[in-house]
Amino acid sequence: NAGVTQTPKFRILKIGQSMTLQCAQDMNHNYMYWYRQDPGMGLKLIYYSVGAGITDKGEVPNGYNVSRSTTEDFPLRLELAAPSQTSVYFCASSPTDRAGNSPLHFGNGTRLTVT
Amino acid sequence: RKEVEQDPGPFNVPEGATVAFNCTYSNSASQSFFWYRQDCRKEPKLLMSVYSSGNEDGRFTAQLNRASQYISLLIRDSKLSDSATYLCVVTGGSYIPTFGRGTSLIVHP
Repeated sequence: NAGVTQTPKFRILKIGQSMTLQCAQDMNHNYMYWYRQDPGMGLKLIYYSVGAGITDKGEVPNGYNVSRSTTEDFPLRLELAAPSQTSVYFCASSPTDRAGNSPLHFGNGTRLTVT
Repeated sequence: RKEVEQDPGPFNVPEGATVAFNCTYSNSASQSFFWYRQDCRKEPKLLMSVYSSGNEDGRFTAQLNRASQYISLLIRDSKLSDSATYLCVVTGGSYIPTFGRGTSLIVHP
């Protein structure tokens, strides 16, 4: 099992460019999440999905879009990159059922710099 | 009041010391509680779940106090390798995990 795979590991974007951060999991988890982490701060939820075809906004969704066409994949799209989006992005998945007792499985992260 | 609050530290302790961190949460309906460890902005890794009765894993002990709405992590006999940031995670009725900003621990010789 590869677990949660994120690509790319690093990326530098110019202001106004767009890109897609890829996230895939092979554990058949229903729940998937995108977090961002700024220096010295905790993780903030951008978007999440409870299953294929279902997505919802988290705490900081502005400037991002997501889709969940399959259980395995949960890409994050930045349409017009801004310096404020410089951060480390983590994708995570969970087999959470209604009990909500399952921990998160994280990818290795994508370090994004917008200049 | 933030949903999940932690003292960012750093806690600077000598090897062999015992150190404890607390984490408070605001949602009384919270259902699941976890401690994660994060090294040098790598991905967080699960350290331990926190159960109502308290639980222990080697040198690590986690406690939950629902009445006062906090969880704690106790590390005994600290090792240099324990130096990291410890993240408190709380999951509420929406099944969305919420992270504290983390507590930095530095263990020195």
